[in-house]
Amino acid sequence: NAGVTQTPKFQVLKTGQSMTLQCAQDMNHNSMYWYRQDPGMGLRLIYYSASEGTTDKGEVPNGYNVSRLNKREFSLRLESAAPSQTSVYFCATSLAGVQQYFGPGTRLTVT
Amino acid sequence: AQRVTQPEKLLSVFKGAPVELKCNYSYSGSPELFWYVQYSRQRLQLLLRHISRESIKGFTADLNKGETSFHLKKPFAQEEDSAMYYCALKETSGSRLTFGEGTQLTVNP
Repeated sequence: NAGVTQTPKFQVLKTGQSMTLQCAQDMNHNSMYWYRQDPGMGLRLIYYSASEGTTDKGEVPNGYNVSRLNKREFSLRLESAAPSQTSVYFCATSLAGVQQYFGPGTRLTVT
Repeated sequence: AQRVTQPEKLLSVFKGAPVELKCNYSYSGSPELFWYVQYSRQRLQLLLRHISRESIKGFTADLNKGETSFHLKKPFAQEEDSAMYYCALKETSGSRLTFGEGTQLTVNP
């Protein structure tokens, strides 16, 4: 029972490169979220998926796209990475929005 | 739009001293408030919710609607309380959370 898993754990990209961050959960939760964590700014919601087949923008969606592949998986794509996207990215899930369960995070550096 | 503010980015106390982490919010409806904690090298996890009105690891938090605050308190801080603490607000409907900026608590021996 892994809970919420994220891959990769670390990634270094050059400006303009693309990549996809993967998130998977085995908790049978309906809702999934992507956040970025930056010093002094807390966690900011990038995109979320209230249920399978739906996605919505959060607070800071520019430069990102998401795919809710199925109930278990929610991926975040950076089409053309920029240094401003250097951050720690967290995936989270919840059953009915009451409590969110977080993954271990992906530390991304864009040079 | 809703907003959560944690005025202290850093807070340092000595072991055994009381600690209070401040959280203020703005929201026109009836919010649900949470405290999440991230210990070093661990995942972010729920510490407590205002509606459960329970004490977790000696921490309590009371929702004060008049002052729009949800401060986290512990009478005697322990070294293992050192962590990053986030206050979060959930709207009446929907599943989104709005997080504050976080407070890094250090408890010194």
